[in-house]
Amino acid sequence: GAVVSQHPSWVICKSGTSVKIECRSLDFQATTMFWYRQFPKQSLMLMATSNEGSKATYEQGVEKDKFLINHASLTLSTLTVTSAHPEDSSFYICSASGTVLSNQPQHFGDGTRLSIL
Amino acid sequence: GQQVMQIPQYQHVQEGEDFTTYCNSSTTLSNIQWYKQRPGGHPVFLIQLVKSGEVKKQKRLTFQFGEAKKNSSLHITATQTTDVGTYFCAGEASNDYKLSFGAGTTVTVRA
Repeated sequence: GAVVSQHPSWVICKSGTSVKIECRSLDFQATTMFWYRQFPKQSLMLMATSNEGSKATYEQGVEKDKFLINHASLTLSTLTVTSAHPEDSSFYICSASGTVLSNQPQHFGDGTRLSIL
Repeated sequence: GQQVMQIPQYQHVQEGEDFTTYCNSSTTLSNIQWYKQRPGGHPVFLIQLVKSGEVKKQKRLTFQFGEAKKNSSLHITATQTTDVGTYFCAGEASNDYKLSFGAGTTVTVRA
């Protein structure tokens, strides 16, 4: 079945560091990828939508200069949290949709737990 | 913007009992999806409902989509300890795959 790989699964780093998270579709072409953020005991909040080869569309309240998204190929999207601070600590999850025969419209990665000290 | 409300937020169930979680959207949806997330895990797709009034079953789970395509429910019968987790509904307003997630219902089971 369709698989989405997200890397790294866990990051701990110092305040001010920039962190890059990768989201790969392993066996299908992901024309659209989504990035979500989930704080503890809360729901998933959509941050941005990215289509291959074009600029990402950010949801209201999400700083595009803070959360840089690149979707350069049909199998890879990256989220870079620039100059991360403790309030950016969260669970970041990507999902992908595209040209795959599946009974589900989106395929989620395993998520990345980001902890900023 | 589109909002999806989900209740209850927490459900503590005796093993063997039934329970239901409900979702309501502020706008008409093109489809609604249900996910389950175990503690420490990522959301796992359960099902997608597309048609008005649609009912789908997966073993002990019954999913319904309202006639107006604005509300949905998940009913679990004979709850087991494996049902522990948080169940999210997620609505798609237009056919662009963008999902608005409900707050989730976190289920705990007492044996």
